[in-house]
Amino acid sequence: SYVLTQPPSVSVAPGKTASIFCGGDNIGRKSVHWYQQKPGQAPVLVLYDDSDRPSGIPERFSGSNSENTATLTISRVEAGDEADYYCQVWDSSSDHLLFGGGTKLTVL
Amino acid sequence: EVQLVESGGGLVHPGGSLTLSCAASGFPFSSYQMTWVRQAPGKGLEWVSYISSGTRYYADSVKGRFTISRDNAKNSLYLQMNSLRAEDTAVYYCVRSEYFYFDFWGQGTLVTVSS
Repeated sequence: SYVLTQPPSVSVAPGKTASIFCGGDNIGRKSVHWYQQKPGQAPVLVLYDDSDRPSGIPERFSGSNSENTATLTISRVEAGDEADYYCQVWDSSSDHLLFGGGTKLTVL
Repeated sequence: EVQLVESGGGLVHPGGSLTLSCAASGFPFSSYQMTWVRQAPGKGLEWVSYISSGTRYYADSVKGRFTISRDNAKNSLYLQMNSLRAEDTAVYYCVRSEYFYFDFWGQGTLVTVSS
């Protein structure tokens, strides 16, 4: 079955750029979606279809997807960006929706 | 304003049953696919089930035990859960789906399976 792999944690200083990776076999052929979850809250969609932002999501959030890695990039990181981030795809070969294991972003 | 309000969670014994409900408002419910996603305590997100107008999909971990359904006249989504196990303990989220991504989430309802 298809598997999405994320690093458990990423740390970044305020004002710097954070990159969160999501690995999967030929993930570049799939549409990847990203969610932010803060403690005690429901997840929020921050990117869909690799790089599109829903209304209300800052331009600091961007994405890319190629070959075996999708990337969520957060520019000019703020303390309020500290959260867990999950990637997600639809695997048409199994008719399953899949999440990565999640990455905890720590703002130093 | 889009609202998704889950209900029906609680404590249930292993092997027992429970039905979750989700009341939707603020959008044309029948026009959207809907999904249940769960999160075990301290763990990541896990997709449970998805329903469109004519299609239902289930995660392997719940297939044969859980049934997703919807009542468009009542703007409601349901999850019938049978043969519950300790590993089904989680917060269950009702989620509006735009094709195969999730654009709006409810606040969740906690299901605890324990003797």
